[in-house]
Amino acid sequence: EAGVTQSPTHLIKTRGQQATLRCSPISGHTSVYWYQQALGLGLQFLLWYDEGEERNRGNFPPRFSGRQFPNYSSELNVNALELEDSALYLCASSLVGNTIYFGEGSWLTVV
Amino acid sequence: AQKVTQAQTEISVVEKEDVTLDCVYETRDTTYYLFWYKQPPSGELVFLIRRNSFDEQNEISGRYSWNFQKSTSSFNFTITASQVVDSAVYFCALKEIQGAQKLVFGQGTRLTINP
Repeated sequence: EAGVTQSPTHLIKTRGQQATLRCSPISGHTSVYWYQQALGLGLQFLLWYDEGEERNRGNFPPRFSGRQFPNYSSELNVNALELEDSALYLCASSLVGNTIYFGEGSWLTVV
Repeated sequence: AQKVTQAQTEISVVEKEDVTLDCVYETRDTTYYLFWYKQPPSGELVFLIRRNSFDEQNEISGRYSWNFQKSTSSFNFTITASQVVDSAVYFCALKEIQGAQKLVFGQGTRLTINP
């Protein structure tokens, strides 16, 4: 059974541009989560989607947004990129209330 | 507010030594989950174990064992007879059973096993 898959693996963008990251959850999982792992800042919760709705949001500015599609896949959009947005972005999935499984992440570099 | 503390930033041991990674947590919830994840250099967070707050049984899985003590709010992880492949960053995390479904992570412990 396939795990959580993310694309792209690596992405390089220029400051001010927009980045879009994609995530496919484990089959049967309805919840998708996004986390940011920036150097020195640990793992920070970004967003939680379940059944197509945003359920919870971490302490990030509005230029971080996303959505969940009817097939439960998700995308994370980061607008007006700043240098400090450079990080590993981890997507995860679960059934609500159960163990959360992570993908391999997307490395975003802003130059 | 929930908080997870992994006081050991880095640990370095020689292969075959036993090593314990400490995790202390804070929460006002009476029911919660505790987790350990392993992050190898590739970046993926690999799920190792989940423990419910109402289940204080210790668990052993091969060379891995976990000691959950609610009285001291600790959930420590021991690797017996460590191997080079155990080298990674290990994260302890806490999550409400109901509600926000947000994992609160500790800062992680970088474990290096030297041959």
